[in-house]
Amino acid sequence: DARVTQTPRHKVTEMGQEVTMRCQPILGHNTVFWYRQTMMQGLELLAYFRNRAPLDDSGMPKDRFSAEMPDATLATLKIQPSEPRDSAVYFCASGLVLASGSPAGGETQYFGPGTRLLVL
Amino acid sequence: AQSVAQPEDQVNVAEGNPLTVKCTYSVSGNPYLFWYVQYPNRGLQFLLKYITGDNLVKGSYGFEAEFNKSQTSFHLKKPSALVSDSALYFCAAVFNDYKLSFGAGTTVTVRA
Repeated sequence: DARVTQTPRHKVTEMGQEVTMRCQPILGHNTVFWYRQTMMQGLELLAYFRNRAPLDDSGMPKDRFSAEMPDATLATLKIQPSEPRDSAVYFCASGLVLASGSPAGGETQYFGPGTRLLVL
Repeated sequence: AQSVAQPEDQVNVAEGNPLTVKCTYSVSGNPYLFWYVQYPNRGLQFLLKYITGDNLVKGSYGFEAEFNKSQTSFHLKKPSALVSDSALYFCAAVFNDYKLSFGAGTTVTVRA
């Protein structure tokens, strides 16, 4: 049963500390998405990768957030320095866009269980 | 602006009754439409999607949704709700690119 995995599941840290969240996409998937979920804003797209290349990070605060894919099996989201307003649940999702056939954006995104972040 | 709306924050039904969760979208053209479900402390699970073709889409756990272009709607339905269907449901759409725009979510409570 292929699943997206995320670590850690929970993280409590103090303001100013660095936070790194990791995601392992489903093997063979070539798109990765990072989302943030809060009560006030709902689900927001932070970053999007296709074939490990960052195509869109317009949803991220650039001064403190960074997202990378060091290899096809690992995506990371870093916050440095963290702030209390970053407290949220961060989801990673992966999908498969075929070279031909599937329309861009039509692929199903499979979500991980999320990282619940609390910044004190 | 392109957007997805879920007009009901909450839907309450009795077990065994039909369940409908409403979704409308605001866009010109044909978006790709999705339904996801989220259980407490879990990630989102894919239920179904409409890309093209038959307007009636069948998905997981007995859910279905109908794409209605004239009403710009994509309501989620289940003929007979179960207590285990109680969860948070999200409608989402891709308009012109890869970005999923989510509705605010509808909390479904199915009482025994």
